[in-house]
Amino acid sequence: GENVEQHPSTLSVQEGDSAVIKCTYSDSASNYFPWYKQELGKGPQLIIDIRSNVGEKKDQRIAVTLNKTAKHFSLHITETQPEDSAVYFCAASTAGANNLFFGTGTRLTVIP
Amino acid sequence: KAGVTQTPRYLIKTRGQQVTLSCSPISGHRSVSWYQQTPGQGLQFLFEYFSETQRNKGNFPGRFSGRQFSNSRSEMNVSTLELGDSALYLCASTLRGGSFFTDTQYFGPGTRLTVL
Repeated sequence: GENVEQHPSTLSVQEGDSAVIKCTYSDSASNYFPWYKQELGKGPQLIIDIRSNVGEKKDQRIAVTLNKTAKHFSLHITETQPEDSAVYFCAASTAGANNLFFGTGTRLTVIP
Repeated sequence: KAGVTQTPRYLIKTRGQQVTLSCSPISGHRSVSWYQQTPGQGLQFLFEYFSETQRNKGNFPGRFSGRQFSNSRSEMNVSTLELGDSALYLCASTLRGGSFFTDTQYFGPGTRLTVL
């Protein structure tokens, strides 16, 4: 089955700096890569996703890049704010399958 | 549009008991997936239901089961509870069951199950 690795497990940045979280996957058939943000006491919330026919996608301060050859994808958050503090999860899935394989999560702390 | 709702939000059970958790997907969504979240194992897929049929199943013992009703609401059941079943159980709602396209999954707040 699919194996998704995520790094780093914790990340602290100063407010206004950028944060980068990286994930690798093992199954070349995976073609859908969402990123979720989970705050304390809440379920994961989708923040951005990318499909294998796209190399990069951006939504305001958040961007995701995908390298299918190397089987890795990354989340970039620019101009970080204290409210960005949360646990972020990457995930991978194959077409037509609604079972997501998740990374182990990154706890991001934005220091005011 | 209302989001995914899960009931109850918190549950305390003892070993050997069984438990039923409920999930109501977003209106119009037909697929429901269940996940278990623990500090040790992270987020793991349990199963997915679409049109009242289990379409996909993760690597969990048969004590974990589920079903989906004609209105797309879903329940999951865990029988003979073990201490290791303590976890946050998350339900995710998807518009379609998927064939060649993977739809976005929207998660509910989860049910926190504690087994004593």
